[in-house]
Amino acid sequence: DAKTTQPNSMESNEEEPVHLPCNHSTISGTDYIHWYRQLPSQGPEYVIHGLTSNVNNRMASLAIAEDRKSSTLILHRATLRDAAVYYCIPNSGNTPLVFGKGTRLSVIA
Amino acid sequence: DADVTQTPRNRITKTGKRIMLECSQTKGHDRMYWYRQDPGLGLQLIYYSFDVKDINKGEISDGYSVSRQAQAKFSLSLESAIPNQTALYFCATSVHPQFSGANVLTFGAGSRLTVL
Repeated sequence: DAKTTQPNSMESNEEEPVHLPCNHSTISGTDYIHWYRQLPSQGPEYVIHGLTSNVNNRMASLAIAEDRKSSTLILHRATLRDAAVYYCIPNSGNTPLVFGKGTRLSVIA
Repeated sequence: DADVTQTPRNRITKTGKRIMLECSQTKGHDRMYWYRQDPGLGLQLIYYSFDVKDINKGEISDGYSVSRQAQAKFSLSLESAIPNQTALYFCATSVHPQFSGANVLTFGAGSRLTVL
């Protein structure tokens, strides 16, 4: 599995955009980049995934570097309900997802 | 009803007791997983099963066993519970990436286990 590096914590003001970075320099060519988040007292939930191109869905956008060694999860307008731990996980689907420590996002009203 | 149901949601037991946590899913997924989360930490994989006849150890399988009774059911057992197994346990499911394009997991709500 590719190793990932994420900031331990980040802070954002409500209604502001948030860019959550992830470095995955050992990613393999077949690994998709997955992002999950875990809200307080809940199980993790899928946010978005991508392979090479940038991706958008109703929750977030995923920007993937051209060399695929890093990616950024973008929350366009942070709300209090976005306060969670965000996990970046490269995975090809042939093995289970391995969760690191993630980034704890705090949103300030 | 939830797509992935875990029972019990909360359990308090004593050291040495046998405990079973059950997971059932209605998503028709072939893959199922058990993860453990200690307070303030990330998730650790205990066991996983890619189909009914497939069982694999994860990062922290010692002290645990599993049974895949059917495609929809995956149980986790602690044969002799000890206090450091006190944690939040999550079951998850996914479909083979051939159909989804990536490894997208659906998690249950969790089972909180306390071992005294």
